[in-house]
Amino acid sequence: DAGITQSPRHKVTETGTPVTLRCHQTENHRYMYWYRQDPGHGLRLIHYSYGVKDTDKGEVSDGYSVSRSKTEDFLLTLESATSSQTSVYFCAISDVGNQPQHFGDGTRLSIL
Amino acid sequence: KNEVEQSPQNLTAQEGEFITINCSYSVGISALHWLQQHPGGGIVSLFMLSSGKKKHGRLIATINIQEKHSSLHITASHPRDSAVYICAASSGYALNFGKGTSLLVTP
Repeated sequence: DAGITQSPRHKVTETGTPVTLRCHQTENHRYMYWYRQDPGHGLRLIHYSYGVKDTDKGEVSDGYSVSRSKTEDFLLTLESATSSQTSVYFCAISDVGNQPQHFGDGTRLSIL
Repeated sequence: KNEVEQSPQNLTAQEGEFITINCSYSVGISALHWLQQHPGGGIVSLFMLSSGKKKHGRLIATINIQEKHSSLHITASHPRDSAVYICAASSGYALNFGKGTSLLVTP
């Protein structure tokens, strides 16, 4: 299995608080992605990275920011969490942009 | 944005049955992906194909580029095949995902 670790795995927090999710990989893959998964929707891309300090927005980027200061780490930050951001968040990696992506185990985030 | 539609949304089958899950997409793609998500959440890539057919064990994936359609077949289904199957269309870096097909295989 591809070495991808998401932390935390579960988090409950209150509206208005900042939240940071971490994705750590040991595969030295260039591309890293953050998705959210909600009932009634497919996986939706929040942000992705194509290299250190190189990031771009996805389909549902409003309210989220990302950073990638090292190849192995991709951070997703909710500056001021809202209840609509309650979701399961998945990180994924790929070596080349069009290749199969390997997924982390997900982070279940609840915002009350 | 590439609209990806899957059918059926839910599927129940008896062990041993042949299963087909369909996926259609709206615009040209570079590849079509099939993924599997078990209860508990883990997502695994099953296939990536841009033409023809691929087979892995009891799973077969086909794609018809002209018709913008792909199918995932499971032969001799087994309860351990119970999962959500997701198709995703890619062009460049981006994957556009369908909403998934929830499959339950009963003994």
